[in-house]
Amino acid sequence: QKEVEQNSGPLSVPEGAIASLNCTYSDRGSQSFFWYRQYSGKSPELIMFIYSNGDKEDGRFTAQLNKASQYVSLLIRDSQPSDSATYLCAVGGSGNTGKLIFGQGTTLQVKP
Amino acid sequence: KAGVTQTPRYLIKTRGQQVTLSCSPISGHRSVSWYQQTPGQGLQFLFEYFSETQRNKGNFPGRFSGRQFSNSRSEMNVSTLELGDSALYLCASSLSPGVGNTIYFGEGSWLTVV
Repeated sequence: QKEVEQNSGPLSVPEGAIASLNCTYSDRGSQSFFWYRQYSGKSPELIMFIYSNGDKEDGRFTAQLNKASQYVSLLIRDSQPSDSATYLCAVGGSGNTGKLIFGQGTTLQVKP
Repeated sequence: KAGVTQTPRYLIKTRGQQVTLSCSPISGHRSVSWYQQTPGQGLQFLFEYFSETQRNKGNFPGRFSGRQFSNSRSEMNVSTLELGDSALYLCASSLSPGVGNTIYFGEGSWLTVV
């Protein structure tokens, strides 16, 4: 079992729809969770981070965390063609470390 | 405020050579981590430095090494390059290690080994 799992996609949604990206992780001690967006040929760009169970909203983006289910998700409302990218879920372990474990990423395609 | 700066951005090396990549973290950030990204393996953790000390090391051979200087700048070195070392090498910085610290990536160094 991989430490952080994401559906590789591609996930295709029409412009204006809600895109839902999911991630599961295996280490129950994980305490920090990040979503990064990566365009082809570019480096990962931080979209959201979440540390506590529940929802966290920032503009069109909502991150959801359920530690009991070891599940974190990212919702993108009113999806735009410019949101087309690979979305990486990253999980930070327990303890005093900055090490992140990444999923393989989900490719999102937003069709006009 | 300037982001994480990595140099060089692109480089081509020959098998058997060595390479040094440099990273300047965001001003005030003292924790630096390095990652390797390849199409097949995705993003993999190389090592983490804080206050000039290596705190964590990923599952990479000893040919991969790094260090951090007193000004928090970091370098990583790969010796005896192999074709499989061709990758995007990413540096990330945060204020300090641990929960609650947001981690930002630089633009990366694209290494091609021929």
